[in-house]
Amino acid sequence: EVQLVESGGGLVQPGRSLKLSCAASGFTFSNYYMAWVRQAPKKGLEWVATISTSGSRTYYPDSVKGRFTISRDNAKSSLYLQMNSLKSEDTATYYCARHGLTGSWYFDFWGPGTMVTVSS
Amino acid sequence: DIQMTQSPASLSASLGETVSIECLASEGISNDLAWYQQKSGKSPQLLIYAASRLQDGVPSRFSGSGSGTRYSLKISGMQPEDEADYFCQQSYKYPFTFGSGTKLEIK
Repeated sequence: EVQLVESGGGLVQPGRSLKLSCAASGFTFSNYYMAWVRQAPKKGLEWVATISTSGSRTYYPDSVKGRFTISRDNAKSSLYLQMNSLKSEDTATYYCARHGLTGSWYFDFWGPGTMVTVSS
Repeated sequence: DIQMTQSPASLSASLGETVSIECLASEGISNDLAWYQQKSGKSPQLLIYAASRLQDGVPSRFSGSGSGTRYSLKISGMQPEDEADYFCQQSYKYPFTFGSGTKLEIK
């Protein structure tokens, strides 16, 4: 059974940093592109980052480019999101998600999410 | 960026009723369109990908159709467990973008 479990969320002050983790199991982690998607309270979904199978390629929307860094450790079946210079608008539930088969950019499995609150 | 305009924002349906949700892309997306269901307090779940392909384990009352810029999700025979938020997502090119969602409730 595919499982994705996020951790590392919490309350952080504006301008500070936070690192999220996602532990994957039930599938061959190194074979899949992975992603982070967020959802502000009572709002819609926003794609945050994607990383290739080897970690050599990463992709971000303009809203987080230069502030967030996605990475992975295939030996540990783990995905990470380093978030720097956090803003109040980054407050959201952050989901770890698996992309579909190579070349498919939908998200076929999602974790339960971890909440990040940016506030002074 | 590709804008995804989803309608309606909310919808109320009786049990057994057939409902449809629409998504309009700001440019052609070559059927690279996915639909997700999100129940209250839970993470999204993939229902449909490539506009019309049913994800494993999803009931056959869910179906997707469309082409070019217009896509739709149909639920043939509303069930109590279908009460949820529904989102479309274009998987055609970066940045991947989602529709604003449809809240589906039981009448």
